[in-house]
Amino acid sequence: SYVLTQPPSVSGAPGKTARITCEGNRIGGKSVAWYQQKTGQAPVLVIYYDSDRPSGIPERFSGSNSGNTATLTISRVEVGDEADYYCQVWDRNSDHWVFGGGTKLTVL
Amino acid sequence: EVQLVESGGGLVQPGGSLRLSCTTSGFTFSRCGLNWVRQAPGKGLEWISYISSGSDTIYHADSVKGRITISRDNAKNSLYLQMNSLRVEDTAVYYCARDNGAGTPIDYWGQGTLVTVSS
Repeated sequence: SYVLTQPPSVSGAPGKTARITCEGNRIGGKSVAWYQQKTGQAPVLVIYYDSDRPSGIPERFSGSNSGNTATLTISRVEVGDEADYYCQVWDRNSDHWVFGGGTKLTVL
Repeated sequence: EVQLVESGGGLVQPGGSLRLSCTTSGFTFSRCGLNWVRQAPGKGLEWISYISSGSDTIYHADSVKGRITISRDNAKNSLYLQMNSLRVEDTAVYYCARDNGAGTPIDYWGQGTLVTVSS
């Protein structure tokens, strides 16, 4: 089955840039979505189709995907961005959604 | 406003059964695919099942295959998950989540319902 690997934690200083990676075999050939989940809340879609943002998501959130790594970039990090972030792809081989293990973003 | 509201969670003994429901509003239910995604306490997200808009396509994760049935009632704008032979490791918050067809992004989630499997 397809596996997505994320770092367990990432930290960023307010106003700086934080990057969260998602590794998978030839993930560049798949469409990646990213979800933000704050403590006690449901996930919220922040990036889809690698780099598109849903309405209401700040431009500070951006995504890229190439080779074996997809990346969620959060510019000008704010305290309110502290959350768990999950990447997700559709695995056509198994017809399953696959989530990464999640990355906890801490804003220092 | 798109809304998905899960219900039916609770405490159940190992080997027992439970039926979860998800009632929705604010969108054309019959045109959307729907998923169940769960999250064990302190753990990550785990997709478990998908049903297409017309119920003609259904997928299950291997971890629950044979123990769950996903269904929907387009007349009632509702999604269901029948879970049987429940195990301790099925303890989780269960979310219903909408997409626009298999493989399209999941764009809205409910707030979840907690299922606890314990003796």
